[in-house]
Amino acid sequence: GNSVTQMEGPVTLSEEAFLTINCTYTATGYPSLFWYVQYPGEGLQLLLKATKADDKGSNKGFEATYRKETTSFHLEKGSVQVSDSAVYFCALQAAGNKLTFGGGTRVLVKP
Amino acid sequence: EPEVTQTPSHQVTQMGQEVILRCVPISNHLYFYWYRQILGQKVEFLVSFYNNEISEKSEIFDDQFSVERPDGSNFTLKIRSTKLEDSAMYFCASKETGPGETQYFGPGTRLLVL
Repeated sequence: GNSVTQMEGPVTLSEEAFLTINCTYTATGYPSLFWYVQYPGEGLQLLLKATKADDKGSNKGFEATYRKETTSFHLEKGSVQVSDSAVYFCALQAAGNKLTFGGGTRVLVKP
Repeated sequence: EPEVTQTPSHQVTQMGQEVILRCVPISNHLYFYWYRQILGQKVEFLVSFYNNEISEKSEIFDDQFSVERPDGSNFTLKIRSTKLEDSAMYFCASKETGPGETQYFGPGTRLLVL
């Protein structure tokens, strides 16, 4: 079946540091890939997505590139802020339409 | 901007009681979903609903669970006889069309079964 593996947290960074969260997937066919973010006490918000190989999704300074050859969709941000502290979920959507999530990575940015 | 809403935000119930969680998806969306997140664990798919019927369900979604779209706007999840292990955050999501489209999530209902 489909699965998503992402690095475990927590990841603790200083403000303006570079952030990368690794995400790899296993899926049949050609899934769409997503990053969702969950801020403390809130629901899931779409951060970015990519629907085919080599697509790059970007939003709010975050980027991720759909790499079919390495089945990866790593999330990066060049300079994090305290407000980026949240839990980040990598997810895939295959032909069945449901989302399959990774375990989530908690990121804590300190001033 | 249109958003998915859920009520109640919190629900506390006794084991064995029935609960109904309510969701109002975005109005022009056609696909509806329920997910749950047990505290500290990953978000898990429960069920998807399209064209007034279940299109897919997980093994979690047993006979104790049911979904309904009673009118043109609401989408409900019913748990007939709650168990302690049903305690979780339940998220409703909806999307407009088929594969590749974004699912938009509601803020969730935190269910606590005592």
